[in-house]
Order: sequence, then C-alpha cells, then structure tokens
Amino acid sequence: GENVEQHPSTLSVQEGDSAVIKCTYSDSASNYFPWYKQELGKGPQLIIDIRSNVGEKKDQRIAVTLNKTAKHFSLHITETQPEDSAVYFCAASTPGGFKTIFGAGTRLFVKA
Amino acid sequence: NAGVTQTPKFQVLKTGQSMTLQCAQDMNHEYMSWYRQDPGMGLRLIHYSVGAGITDQGEVPNGYNVSRSTTEDFPLRLLSAAPSQTSVYFCASSYSRLAGGRSKNIQYFGAGTRLSVL
Repeated sequence: GENVEQHPSTLSVQEGDSAVIKCTYSDSASNYFPWYKQELGKGPQLIIDIRSNVGEKKDQRIAVTLNKTAKHFSLHITETQPEDSAVYFCAASTPGGFKTIFGAGTRLFVKA
Repeated sequence: NAGVTQTPKFQVLKTGQSMTLQCAQDMNHEYMSWYRQDPGMGLRLIHYSVGAGITDQGEVPNGYNVSRSTTEDFPLRLLSAAPSQTSVYFCASSYSRLAGGRSKNIQYFGAGTRLSVL
C-alpha cells in the first residue's frame, strides 16, 4: 500500500543552525504535502504545506521543497530556536485529500 | 471557537471492556478522522467521515466502530478492548480548500486521548 518514509527519526542541532527533514512517498497520485509540528502533550499542528504544482514554498524561517519526479519532499528550518524542539511529521494525500498518509516523525532537539 | 475537543484525555481499560472516545468540532468542517499514534509509526488512519451519515475505513479499522449522526460529532467505539489498542488517539476535522484550481485538505487535530488497555 501507500507509504511515506521520513528521515531522520531523531535530529539534534545547535541553536542558530539549520535543520533538514526528508520524506519520500510512494503514491504517484499524491498531490498535497503538509508538514505538522507536535509539541509534548498536544495534537499535531499544520506549519506549512505544498501542492504538487509548486517546487518550493517559504514562510519566514521554514521552507518546504518538492521533487515530484523523485517523489521527495523536505522541510528546512533555518536559524533554529529552542522553541522549534518538537516532533515533526510529513504527510502525503491524494486528490480529495481525506486519506492522508503520515511519516513516522522526526524528533528535533535544538540545544541552546 | 474551541476547535476540536476530545474526551477523555486519559483512560485505562481492562481487556474486553468497551468504551467510546468522544470527538466534537465547532468549525462546521465536513471531514472528520480518527488516527492512532504509536511510537515510531506516526499517525495511522482508523476511520474517516466525509459528512454526516457517511463513514469509511482507513488503514487500521479492525476493532473500532464509528458513526457520524451530526456534522459536529464523530465518536470512536471500542467494542472489546485489547492490549494492542493501547495508544494515543487523535481526532481531526478538516475542510477542503480550493486554490488555483486544486484542492487541499487542511486538518485540525484535537489534543488526544491516551488509552491503556491492561
């Protein structure tokens, strides 16, 4: 079946450094790729998303890139801050969008 | 708006017991979903609904039932709890937004229910 692979599972960076999380999806019909941030004891929250007709999208310190040919998409966080520490999930969904497949998550630690 | 409200926050069950996890949203979203989150496995879709009276199965539906009698509520029922159902359960509601001729489904999650089955 469809799946989304996410790497790394854990990432530790120094405050101010950049963090990159990578995902690969299997369903070529996927056309919408959201990224969620989950803080301890809370539900996931959408932080940025990208559609298949766009190669890159940026929102302040976070950016997402998509390579549809290779079925890869990545999250980039620049100038990381301690409050960026959380679990990040990538996801992929197909047209209609209500069946979303999530990656296994990346636990990001930002050391002050 | 309260968003998506899940109750209870924590629950401990014995094997074989039944219970209902409640989920309510006040954003008038058409779509609602239930996920379970297990360590190292991300979020897996259990059941979803595209509107009142319509439900369908996700990746891991066995052992769970749902119904959607109103737009606001989407309860998840465990008829006979098993230890394998120990997990954190998240409810999400969503709407499909058209932009540039293409749709995307933006999901809003509740805070979760942590369930332990002994």
